[in-house]
Amino acid sequence: EVQLVESGGGLVQPGGSLRLSCAASGFTFSNFLMTWVRRAPGKGLEWVATVNQGGSEVYYVDSVKGRFTMSKDNAKNSLSLQLNSLRVEDTAVYFCLRGGAHEVDRWGQGTLVTVSS
Amino acid sequence: DVVMTQSPLSLPVTLGQPASISCRSSQGLVHSDGNTYLKWFHQRPGQSPRRLIYQVSNRDSGVPDRFSGSGSGTDFTLKISRVEAEDVGVYYCMQGTHWPPTFGGGTKVEIK
Repeated sequence: EVQLVESGGGLVQPGGSLRLSCAASGFTFSNFLMTWVRRAPGKGLEWVATVNQGGSEVYYVDSVKGRFTMSKDNAKNSLSLQLNSLRVEDTAVYFCLRGGAHEVDRWGQGTLVTVSS
Repeated sequence: DVVMTQSPLSLPVTLGQPASISCRSSQGLVHSDGNTYLKWFHQRPGQSPRRLIYQVSNRDSGVPDRFSGSGSGTDFTLKISRVEAEDVGVYYCMQGTHWPPTFGGGTKVEIK
């Protein structure tokens, strides 16, 4: 059974940092692109970033470029998202997804990031 | 970015009756490879979204055949032929043709 389990969310002050993780199981992780999506309170779903199968190429949306770093560890079946220079508007539930833009199919349960002073 | 507009926002339905959700994109969704990367997801209360339909009309494994997707260009539709209680929740369309991928705002289906 495909499982994606996010962790690492929490409360952080503006300008602070946080590292999210996603543990994957039930499929051959190295064969898949992986993605982070977020949903801010009262707002819609927003694509954040996608990494290729090997972890060598990452594509970010403009709103997080230069602040967020996504990485993929195929040896550990693990995905991470380093969030730096956090802003109040980054407050959201962050979801780990299997696949990229063309084929995304499975979602984790999400982890809540709250940016507030 | 491509804007995905879903309607209605809320859809009260009677059990056993059909339901239809519309999704319109601000640009055509045919990719240069000839495919149209339009998907539908269903999120039940308390659960994460589950993909129902990919590339406009292909049902995922395990998805009941009462669900069907159709459309082309900028207009797409998700239909439920006979609504069952387990179909409640929020439905999202998503385009993966243009970067960045974008989602519709969601349609909440509830039983009357």
